[in-house]
Amino acid sequence: SQTIHQWPATLVQPVGSPLSLECTVEGTSNPNLYWYRQAAGRGLQLLFYSVGIGQISSEVPQNLSASRPQDRQFILSSKKLLLSDSGFYLCAWSVSARRAFFGQGTRLTVV
Amino acid sequence: GIQVEQSPPDLILQEGANSTLRCNFSDSVNNLQWFHQNPWGQLINLFYIPSGTKQNGRLSATTVATERYSLLYISSSQTTDSGVYFCAVVPGQTGANNLFFGTGTRLTVIP
Repeated sequence: SQTIHQWPATLVQPVGSPLSLECTVEGTSNPNLYWYRQAAGRGLQLLFYSVGIGQISSEVPQNLSASRPQDRQFILSSKKLLLSDSGFYLCAWSVSARRAFFGQGTRLTVV
Repeated sequence: GIQVEQSPPDLILQEGANSTLRCNFSDSVNNLQWFHQNPWGQLINLFYIPSGTKQNGRLSATTVATERYSLLYISSSQTTDSGVYFCAVVPGQTGANNLFFGTGTRLTVIP
């Protein structure tokens, strides 16, 4: 069966520090991969999605970037965090753009 | 871009009551899904339903793509149904991959 792993679960980082969040999927090949951010009490904002290795589409211009170095690995990064980057970050996967399945999420607090 | 509006934004029910949640979208879609986010933040995929009607236990969903709306029915609600319900869509033609979320409906079921 397919599983998705996302870590860490919680993270507290100072303003100006770098960020790296990792997401891996097991049990499937060539999935679509997604990064979302959810501010407190709000909906999910699509940040990036990828349909294959090295293929990244950005939906929102900001100081975040994403990379897909392997088929089932998706990484969200920032060189310098801002206070406004705080939120709940969720990774998801789907096959053939049908049902999407989410990881447990990372709660990021920038202080 | 596509607008995905959900109503009502908040709903409080007595345990055992039935409810209908609505999702309106502003453009044609080739993918529509319903999710439940529990109080711990985990997102669970309830339905993949770009058109037609599906049922799963006490939950059912109907999408009328030509009229650009979808409905989620919850019957005999339980306290465990509490949380936020989201619909999400992929706009446009088949082959697109960007999955956009609606504004959400926060459901509270009281015993």
